[in-house]
Amino acid sequence: DVKVTQSSRYLVKRTGEKVFLECVQDMDHENMFWYRQDPGLGLRLIYFSYDVKMKEKGDIPEGYSVSREKKERFSLILESASTNQTSMYLCASSIGPIYEQYFGPGTRLTVT
Amino acid sequence: KNEVEQSPQNLTAQEGEFITINCSYSVGISALHWLQQHPGGGIVSLFMLSSGKKKHGRLIATINIQEKHSSLHITASHPRDSAVYICAVNTGNQFYFGTGTSLTVIP
Repeated sequence: DVKVTQSSRYLVKRTGEKVFLECVQDMDHENMFWYRQDPGLGLRLIYFSYDVKMKEKGDIPEGYSVSREKKERFSLILESASTNQTSMYLCASSIGPIYEQYFGPGTRLTVT
Repeated sequence: KNEVEQSPQNLTAQEGEFITINCSYSVGISALHWLQQHPGGGIVSLFMLSSGKKKHGRLIATINIQEKHSSLHITASHPRDSAVYICAVNTGNQFYFGTGTSLTVIP
């Protein structure tokens, strides 16, 4: 079974803090994704990576950066957290761009 | 403009009812996915299909490529089917997601 884990289920941060969300997958998948999910808006792609040290912007990259130093790990960084970044963050991985994505359990981030 | 539209947005059913959730899309696709999200956040992939029909237990997914439409059916619904069902399409290099259908099955 593919397992995708995320570093925290719930996180509360203050405005202006630097926030790190980590995602680890154990199936040697090439592709990894970060999404945010908000009521009424569905899943929106922030960034994705198709290989180590490679990254591509998704639909809403502003205010975020990512790091992929190892194949199994994909980190999302909020350089200076703002209240409008309060959301559910979901990580996913897949073997290829059109294949089934496996999701982590999500991190519910609250920025106060 | 939403590339993927789902209907209905919310659905309440009695246990045992036959349920249909619809998905229409406006882009050319390589594959269509149905996902299930239970309260608490975790998302599970139910089906990936590019033509025809797939069945898994009480779940059936169909797709009509010409009409750009897919349906997810649940037969003999059960309270444990209560979840958000999300339709997603892949164009070959990008995923587009519907906003989800929230299903509640009442005992």
